Amino acid sequence: KAGVTQTPRYLIKTRGQQVTLSCSPISGHRSVSWYQQTPGQGLQFLFEYFSETQRNKGNFPGRFSGRQFSNSRSEMNVSTLELGDSALYLCASSHMADVETQYFGPGTRLLVL
Amino acid sequence: SQKIEQNSEALNIQEGKTATLTCNYTNYSPAYLQWYRQDPGRGPVFLLLIRENEKEKRKERLKVTFDTTLKQSLFHITASQPADSATYLCALGTMDSNYQLIWGAGTKLIIKP
Repeated sequence: KAGVTQTPRYLIKTRGQQVTLSCSPISGHRSVSWYQQTPGQGLQFLFEYFSETQRNKGNFPGRFSGRQFSNSRSEMNVSTLELGDSALYLCASSHMADVETQYFGPGTRLLVL
Repeated sequence: SQKIEQNSEALNIQEGKTATLTCNYTNYSPAYLQWYRQDPGRGPVFLLLIRENEKEKRKERLKVTFDTTLKQSLFHITASQPADSATYLCALGTMDSNYQLIWGAGTKLIIKP
């Protein structure tokens, strides 16, 4: 079974631009969570989607948004990028039968200049 | 305040010895705690889950303990190998955050041959 995939793997943007990141979960997984990881910080939870509905949301500004499609693929969007948005963005999926275990993708490394 | 802490300094261990990593938390009522491994440029990989009513869990060379009185989990790798070198993250599942995982920043483990 293929793992979680994320595209693109690397991205360079400038301040003020917007970016869209994509995540394809493991087949059969309907829950997708997004995290931001910066050096020295734990993973910061952005949001979780289940069956196309946002189920939970972390404490990030409204510039961060997401959505999930009927095939469980998910996208997150960051508008009006700031230098502090430079981070590794991780997507994780989980199965209904084992909601506690998260399977992570390799992440998208975003650099904002 | 609520927080989860791991030793931010790298842990250097001689091959063959037991590596012990610590995860401490404050002001949370945990339901379970998880340990993940993260290699450079990759997403975290799930290792073990221990529930609040369990004292110890084992998986091959890995052992996790959970002391809800001390608010601490210990993660042990016995007979450590250079291939065990990675960053290890702990994550707390708690009703306080609607079961969204609360993550430590991770401890880098270096196993020297």
